[in-house]
Amino acid sequence: GAVVSQHPSRVICKSGTSVKIECRSLDFQATTMFWYRQFPKQSLMLMATSNEGSKATYEQGVEKDKFLINHASLTLSTLTVTSAHPEDSSFYICSARGGGDGYEQYFGPGTRLTVT
Amino acid sequence: DAKTTQPTSMDCAEGRAANLPCNHSTISGNEYVYWYRQIHSQGPQYIIHGLKNNETNEMASLIITEDRKSSTLILPHATLRDTAVYYCIVRAAGGYQKVTFGTGTKLQVIP
Repeated sequence: GAVVSQHPSRVICKSGTSVKIECRSLDFQATTMFWYRQFPKQSLMLMATSNEGSKATYEQGVEKDKFLINHASLTLSTLTVTSAHPEDSSFYICSARGGGDGYEQYFGPGTRLTVT
Repeated sequence: DAKTTQPTSMDCAEGRAANLPCNHSTISGNEYVYWYRQIHSQGPQYIIHGLKNNETNEMASLIITEDRKSSTLILPHATLRDTAVYYCIVRAAGGYQKVTFGTGTKLQVIP
């Protein structure tokens, strides 16, 4: 099956700094990637959708200037949390989908971000 | 996408069948029923999906009622590793619809 990886699996950063999370599709070309956020004991919330070579589309309430998404290639998308604060601490999960009708969404293993 | 309703939590004895229900009374004719699960601190894992016929794969079986307003995911012999949150999602046919998650059912498999 299709594999999606994320790096790092967990990261701790200080308040005010920026942190980048990478999402890669390992064995297929991902024309569309999705970024989700999950707080403890809650469900996954979609943050944004990005198509390769285009600007990301953000869900309502998600600050696009704070959560920078780059989808520059068909196998890599990055999420940068800028000026991170403790309330940004969360589990970030990416998902990737190939092109064409019927291609499913495959999920990465997630990245645990802790802002101190 | 149609809304789904699932019980918040369920327990199942190890080795027994786990039957997880899902109501989707507003499902449209072109919408599929998908099931994913999320084991603690991991990304979601696809389990199975179907349109109107019952489906079975190596992980589970999916039973969809004739009126398509509800479905049941069956794990035939639950193991401790099946402890997870199970999400029932309905979405339109084709790969272009994004997956959005409800609250799911927390399944606890008990030794």
